[in-house]
Parts: sequence; C-alpha cells; structure tokens
Amino acid sequence: NAGVTQTPKFRVLKTGQSMTLLCAQDMNHEYMYWYRQDPGMGLRLIHYSVGEGTTAKGEVPDGYNVSRLKKQNFLLGLESAAPSQTSVYFCASSYSTMGGRGETQYFGPGTRLLVL
Amino acid sequence: GENVEQHPSTLSVQEGDSAVIKCTYSDSASNYFPWYKQELGKRPQLIIDIRSNVGEKKDQRIAVTLNKTAKHFSLHITETQPEDSAVYFCAASIRAGGYNKLIFGAGTRLAVHP
Repeated sequence: NAGVTQTPKFRVLKTGQSMTLLCAQDMNHEYMYWYRQDPGMGLRLIHYSVGEGTTAKGEVPDGYNVSRLKKQNFLLGLESAAPSQTSVYFCASSYSTMGGRGETQYFGPGTRLLVL
Repeated sequence: GENVEQHPSTLSVQEGDSAVIKCTYSDSASNYFPWYKQELGKRPQLIIDIRSNVGEKKDQRIAVTLNKTAKHFSLHITETQPEDSAVYFCAASIRAGGYNKLIFGAGTRLAVHP
C-alpha cells in the first residue's frame, strides 16, 4: 500500500515551458487536492476534486489546470510556467470531507519545482 | 476570505519543556481542526485533530484545545523531545460548494534544544 505518490520529485523549468505533475493514490479515496507550499505561507489549495471527472478551484488556481480522468490519479498542469510558480507542490487525498476519520487528508511526498 | 492565523511563527524550547501553538479562525461554521507535523524535507502528517463538539483531546504528550466562542484552538506538547523539532501547521475546515475544505495556518517552526 503505497498511499499517495507524486512524480516527479524535482524539476527545473524555463519560463514559458509547460509540465504536468502526477499524483496517484491507492487508498480508493474519493477526494483529491493540490496544494502549493511557499515559505511563511503554509499550504494553499490550488484545485481539488470531489470525484472522478470533477474538478474545482481552490484559493490560488490561476496559471494551473487539473484533470481527474481516473479515480486514483489527479494531474496538475502548468501551461506556461512563471518564476512565481517556483514552489513545493503537495498532493493530498481523503476518503470524504464530511465527518469521521474519513476527513483526514493524506499527503504525498511533494514535488519541488524551480522556474528560471 | 476565510483565514487561519497561527502564532508564533518560530518557537524555541529546552528539552523537557512544554510548547504551545495557537491558531484563530474566521469562519464560525468551521467544525474540523487538524494539526499536521512536517519534518524537514518530508510530507505533512496528521498528528491530532479535534471536532467542534469536543473541547479538548489528548494523545500521549500532545493535546489540542478548542474554544468555539473565541474561535481559537491550540496545540500543547508536553515533555518536548528533540524529535519534536519540525514545522507544525494548524488547519480549519470551511464549507464551500457543499464540501469541506481545509484552510491552513502559516506554520510554526519548533526547535527543541537538548
């Protein structure tokens, strides 16, 4: 049981390049999330998904797109990377969002992205 | 928008002392308050959580208290050990679009000195 995994672990991009970050979970969780973590700012929600085929905007969605074609995968895309998108990106998943232990979010190991 | 404020941003204690981290939230409808610990270079991991129908919860050396009226909650770590050194994040649930999401505080860097 791998939990939540992310690829790649680290990436360097030039301004204007595009890339896709992949998140996978094997816990059969319905809900998945993408956060970015910047020094002194905690974790900020970019986009989230409440089930296969659904996506929704979080606090800081601009410059990012997401897709959830399969329940176990949640992809985060940067179409034209900017230096302001240099950050550590964490994916998370949860069984539910409404009460009980199912609300716990489990995080992946993170992807460190540097945009030059 | 809704936010969570966390204090202090850094905390330094001697081994064996207690550490307290405080958070305030703005959405009176928030009903779930988890705390995450993140060691250097690692992923955040849940250490304890509390729901709005409970005022206090304890798990060995860590405890969380919640004051719904004042809209603040705190993490208490007793008998601190060097392995408690990490960044701690509080979070509060907010309801949007029929689902609960989490808003995180900015984090507290705890250093426990032997």
